[in-house]
Amino acid sequence: AQSVTQPDIHITVSEGASLELRCNYSYGATPYLFWYVQSPGQGLQLLLKYFSGDTLVQGIKGFEAEFKRSQSSFNLRKPSVHWSDAAEYFCASRGSQGNLIFGKGTKLSVKP
Amino acid sequence: KAGVTQTPRYLIKTRGQQVTLSCSPISGHRSVSWYQQTPGQGLQFLFEYFSETQRNKGNFPGRFSGRQFSNSRSEMNVSTLELGDSALYLCASSAKTAPPPDTQYFGPGTRLTVL
Repeated sequence: AQSVTQPDIHITVSEGASLELRCNYSYGATPYLFWYVQSPGQGLQLLLKYFSGDTLVQGIKGFEAEFKRSQSSFNLRKPSVHWSDAAEYFCASRGSQGNLIFGKGTKLSVKP
Repeated sequence: KAGVTQTPRYLIKTRGQQVTLSCSPISGHRSVSWYQQTPGQGLQFLFEYFSETQRNKGNFPGRFSGRQFSNSRSEMNVSTLELGDSALYLCASSAKTAPPPDTQYFGPGTRLTVL
């Protein structure tokens, strides 16, 4: 069965430091991959998506992600984290039925 | 364009009752999907509706049902509520243009608490 793994449950970074959130997927064919962000009590906001083409994808709020087929990974990065980036981040893959399959999420805390 | 709207935002029910949640998709979007989010199970797919037809269904009991109207608005119903149904219910809409893939845009969710 398809699955998405986010190995880090909680990450704390200092404001201004760089960030990398890990995501691994399992799917034989070309995956369609997404990163969403959720602030407390809110819904999910789409940060970026990968369907095909350039493996480095730019998103909103200064985020980017790189698709690496050889590593089955789609890691999210940001060069300089802001306090407002504190939230929970979800990686997702499109399932065979069109639904999204989500990882368990990584909670990001930002130290001043 | 207005985003996905969900009503109500918060609900408190007691065990055994039933509840109906509503979702209005982004204008022009014809597909609505529902997801349940709990601390233990994370985000799980409930079902998807497209053009008033249920297209796909996740692994949930029959107490969970839904429907879609001709204006693409969708409702989901949970009957005989159990404590474990307490969750954030998220609705997502997509344009569902062929061929796939498409992008799902989420609403703010309805927080259901079952006492």
